[in-house]
Amino acid sequence: AQSVAQPEDQVNVAEGNPLTVKCTYSVSGNPYLFWYVQYPNRGLQFLLKYITGDNLVKGSYGFEAEFNKSQTSFHLKKPSALVSDSALYFCAEDRDDKIIFGKGTRLHILP
Amino acid sequence: EPEVTQTPSHQVTQMGQEVILRCVPISNHLYFYWYRQILGQKVEFLVSFYNNEISEKSEIFDDQFSVERPDGSNFTLKIRSTKLEDSAMYFCASSEEISYEQYFGPGTRLTVT
Repeated sequence: AQSVAQPEDQVNVAEGNPLTVKCTYSVSGNPYLFWYVQYPNRGLQFLLKYITGDNLVKGSYGFEAEFNKSQTSFHLKKPSALVSDSALYFCAEDRDDKIIFGKGTRLHILP
Repeated sequence: EPEVTQTPSHQVTQMGQEVILRCVPISNHLYFYWYRQILGQKVEFLVSFYNNEISEKSEIFDDQFSVERPDGSNFTLKIRSTKLEDSAMYFCASSEEISYEQYFGPGTRLTVT
């Protein structure tokens, strides 16, 4: 069974607007959750992680994510989108010390 | 900032040939991984490696695959007899400790013809 789900294949946001990329998880207990970003023709870059502690996690490039146990969600957010944020975003879970990735959401920031 | 490097960036090979994909993990990292991403699909775990042995492998990682750390810096993935369906982007990753964030290399695009 898939452990993380990204319900949107693509998200379009106007530059300067807030953005949200959705992720839900299905594992029980205390999940280790991550967000990675993949720019065109580049490898995966780590953005942020949730292991324990504060539900709001701050990461690279102004991104943050909120761990919500009641909704089993870990949505990625940014208050003001930049055109350079356009990329493929993967939600992921550490399961038995390997990363299980969601299918990815392509984020388009429109100038 | 230290980073994971991979060579070559693109490898073209004929079906049935052996290929070796090379990775140099971050120097103080102890855990190493290979993932692959078939075009248009999600990233899939292949294998993890620690203390000179495989920690875990997926069902994709069958007998045609092998990994090795031949010296103190390189981490290689060998595909013994490539098939068309092995065409993918292969990512190496490393982490300092178990369950720490994994840092990924830029990938090697393998094209099997």
